[in-house]
Amino acid sequence: KAGVTQTPRYLIKTRGQQVTLSCSPISGHRSVSWYQQTPGQGLQFLFEYFSETQRNKGNFPGRFSGRQFSNSRSEMNVSTLELGDSALYLCASSIGTGIAQEKLFFGSGTQLSVL
Amino acid sequence: GDSVTQMEGPVTLSEEAFLTINCTYTATGYPSLFWYVQYPGEGLQLLLKATKADDKGSNKGFEATYRKETTSFHLEKGSVQVSDSAVYFCAVRPRSNDYKLSFGAGTTVTVRA
Repeated sequence: KAGVTQTPRYLIKTRGQQVTLSCSPISGHRSVSWYQQTPGQGLQFLFEYFSETQRNKGNFPGRFSGRQFSNSRSEMNVSTLELGDSALYLCASSIGTGIAQEKLFFGSGTQLSVL
Repeated sequence: GDSVTQMEGPVTLSEEAFLTINCTYTATGYPSLFWYVQYPGEGLQLLLKATKADDKGSNKGFEATYRKETTSFHLEKGSVQVSDSAVYFCAVRPRSNDYKLSFGAGTTVTVRA
């Protein structure tokens, strides 16, 4: 069974640009969560999608958005990039939402560098 | 809100040494507690969990006991191997409608042969 797949693996952008990251969950998983990982802050929750609906949202500005498609694949978009957005963005899937989120399966992440 | 504080790294050990990573949490009610591990170049994976007071989670020689009186969930392993080199994250999930996990900052562990 394939794991959580994130593309691309690496991205380099400049300030002011926008970026879209993609995540394909494990087959059969319907919930996708996104996290930002930085050395100083650890993992910060961005948002969670289940059945194409945003179920939960972290404390990030509106420049960070996401969506989920009918096949459970998810995309995350960051507009007007800032230097501080440089981070590893992790996607995690679970079978469902709620208590099913106790066991998350993470992808290897997309390393975003903003110059 | 719910949060986790874990000991800062990096931690460097020799093979067969004893490992302890401290983790304390702040949460209302009776949260569930987790340890996730991230090996180099990989995503996080669940290592162990405990869902109620005095529960002990264990996996791959690692153990952690849910201590409600001290709000702690320290991770221990009696004899580490080079393959245990990774970043370890403590996490808490509240018992509410908000099921998202809150992670600690992570502790980098390096085991030398």
